[in-house]
Amino acid sequence: AQTVTQSQPEMSVQEAETVTLSCTYDTSENNYYLFWYKQPPSRQMILVIRQEAYKQQNATENRFSVNFQKAAKSFSLKISDSQLGDTAMYFCAFKGKGAQKLVFGQGTRLTINP
Amino acid sequence: EAQVTQNPRYLITVTGKKLTVTCSQNMNHEYMSWYRQDPGLGLRQIYYSMNVEVTDKGDVPEGYKVSRKEKRNFPLILESPSPNQTSLYFCASSLTGQAQETQYFGPGTRLLVL
Repeated sequence: AQTVTQSQPEMSVQEAETVTLSCTYDTSENNYYLFWYKQPPSRQMILVIRQEAYKQQNATENRFSVNFQKAAKSFSLKISDSQLGDTAMYFCAFKGKGAQKLVFGQGTRLTINP
Repeated sequence: EAQVTQNPRYLITVTGKKLTVTCSQNMNHEYMSWYRQDPGLGLRQIYYSMNVEVTDKGDVPEGYKVSRKEKRNFPLILESPSPNQTSLYFCASSLTGQAQETQYFGPGTRLLVL
């Protein structure tokens, strides 16, 4: 069974700083997808970024980028020039190609301080 | 506007009193799913449905029922709620359930069972 681990329950940085959230996963599959979701205080689940395991190039979405290390089974999220609106819970998630569910990590609560 | 809606958003009930949380999507999605979110555990899948009249258990199905009589609706039923079902519940949908598809999440339902 796949597992996803986020080892940082909470993080806090100053506005405009860069912050990296860690995620590791365990799977025997070779083709899968990885996701980062943001959950602000409104509790809405918002997709931040997606990475396909077959693509070697790291995904980027504006200030958000990932460092995908397939051999190490690591998928960290980097937020550049952090903003107050980035304050949220962040979840790393895995989905196998034939799977019927997302497997989520425990979440990292990120606070951006003014 | 493409969306997944859930009702109610908040619910306080007592042990043993049957309740239903509704979920509806307007995107003609075949795949729908229910997750529960608990502190330190992330989101875990309860049930999913690949299409009308096709449902299957996720990781934590005990104490829950679902039905899929129409494509757009996927209600979650708690026949005899217990305090350990106090949680934040999310409904999600995607076009066919394939790994690369974006899953759209509802706004969440916070349930407290006394």
